[in-house]
Amino acid sequence: EPEVTQTPSHQVTQMGQEVILRCVPISNHLYFYWYRQILGQKVEFLVSFYNNEISEKSEIFDDQFSVERPDGSNFTLKIRSTKLEDSAMYFCASSATGEAFFGQGTRLTVV
Amino acid sequence: QKEVEQDPGPLSVPEGAIVSLNCTYSNSAFQYFMWYRQYSRKGPELLMYTYSSGNKEDGRFTAQVDKSSKYISLFIRDSQPSDSATYLCALFSGGYNKLIFGAGTRLAVHP
Repeated sequence: EPEVTQTPSHQVTQMGQEVILRCVPISNHLYFYWYRQILGQKVEFLVSFYNNEISEKSEIFDDQFSVERPDGSNFTLKIRSTKLEDSAMYFCASSATGEAFFGQGTRLTVV
Repeated sequence: QKEVEQDPGPLSVPEGAIVSLNCTYSNSAFQYFMWYRQYSRKGPELLMYTYSSGNKEDGRFTAQVDKSSKYISLFIRDSQPSDSATYLCALFSGGYNKLIFGAGTRLAVHP
């Protein structure tokens, strides 16, 4: 069964460092998303991506964040200068017609 | 008013019970309605997906949507200890191209 895969599963980084979280969406899907979940809190929308551009973003998705689809299969989330409060699970999702399928997430720990 | 309201629980039931989980929403622009199951530190797993008012059944799970009342439900019949997880409702609007999650209800099914 097709699935969304995310790498790495866990990343530890120092405050101020740049991180890139990677995702391989399901191959025939056209809509891509990043969400985050701080431990014990709700799943929060960050950004949606369609037709090689951002279609929607939340207030959380400020200038420190960027997304790319560098090669037609991968979908990346970059955080330029990580802060302690960026520590969370980051989930990638993809969709064809409305229902979204999620990856297992990357746990980002900023120290 | 929050876009999606969901009682976080926790909800504790004996094995074999019928479980009822609910969400209300405020924006009539939502077109697609989903239920996800999330185990601790894992990605949300899609359980049910519907876009019309009425009932949709899949095994022990029934999703119910009432667009006129802006109310969605998930029923789990013959609940099992393996159903113990957090259940998230999620609503999608194509106009906004994002999935909005409820807070999630933590369910514990005890033997």
